[in-house]
Amino acid sequence: GEDVEQSLFLSVREGDSSVINCTYTDSSSTYLYWYKQEPGAGLQLLTYIFSNMDMKQDQRLTVLLNKKDKHLSLRIADTQTGDSAIYFCAEKEAGAGSYQLTFGKGTKLSVIP
Amino acid sequence: NAGVTQTPKFRILKIGQSMTLQCTQDMNHNYMYWYRQDPGMGLKLIYYSVGAGITDKGEVPNGYNVSRSTTEDFPLRLELAAPSQTSVYFCASSHGTVNSPLHFGNGTRLTVT
Repeated sequence: GEDVEQSLFLSVREGDSSVINCTYTDSSSTYLYWYKQEPGAGLQLLTYIFSNMDMKQDQRLTVLLNKKDKHLSLRIADTQTGDSAIYFCAEKEAGAGSYQLTFGKGTKLSVIP
Repeated sequence: NAGVTQTPKFRILKIGQSMTLQCTQDMNHNYMYWYRQDPGMGLKLIYYSVGAGITDKGEVPNGYNVSRSTTEDFPLRLELAAPSQTSVYFCASSHGTVNSPLHFGNGTRLTVT
């Protein structure tokens, strides 16, 4: 079955860039997503990328996709304490028709003031 | 601008008790989903629905039931609560097209003792 892998923890200093990495196994993935979860809250969509793109930029966020290696990354420029959260990578299974998402286990980003 | 609303936010059940987790969305989305989130384990799909009257099992359906009598509502039923069902439950919805993201509620934290 499909699998999405992420490292569990990342710690950065305020003002530095954060890079959160993700690998996936489903070569037919059409869309890949990054969600942010703050403590006690639901998942908030940050950004997504279509599989025929290799980069997408949205303000402080840059998503890079290496489809050959099935590797996705999220770069947060000028990381702030408000960016401390759990970040989930997810891929969409388009073939089944249900458009389910398969999620990684999440990367907990801690920002040190 | 409600989006996806889940109730209750918290609940404690005794083993063997039953309860229904409520989920409603006001975005006229056809697709709705129930996920559970266990610490360090990401999100697992319990059930999903592609429209009123249609439901299907996800990855971890045992011990749960769902119904979808209207487009707006997608309740999740636990008939005989077990400690293994202690988790945070998230409801989500989407338009159901290949490029539409999932919108999440804020979750229900359930403890079974």
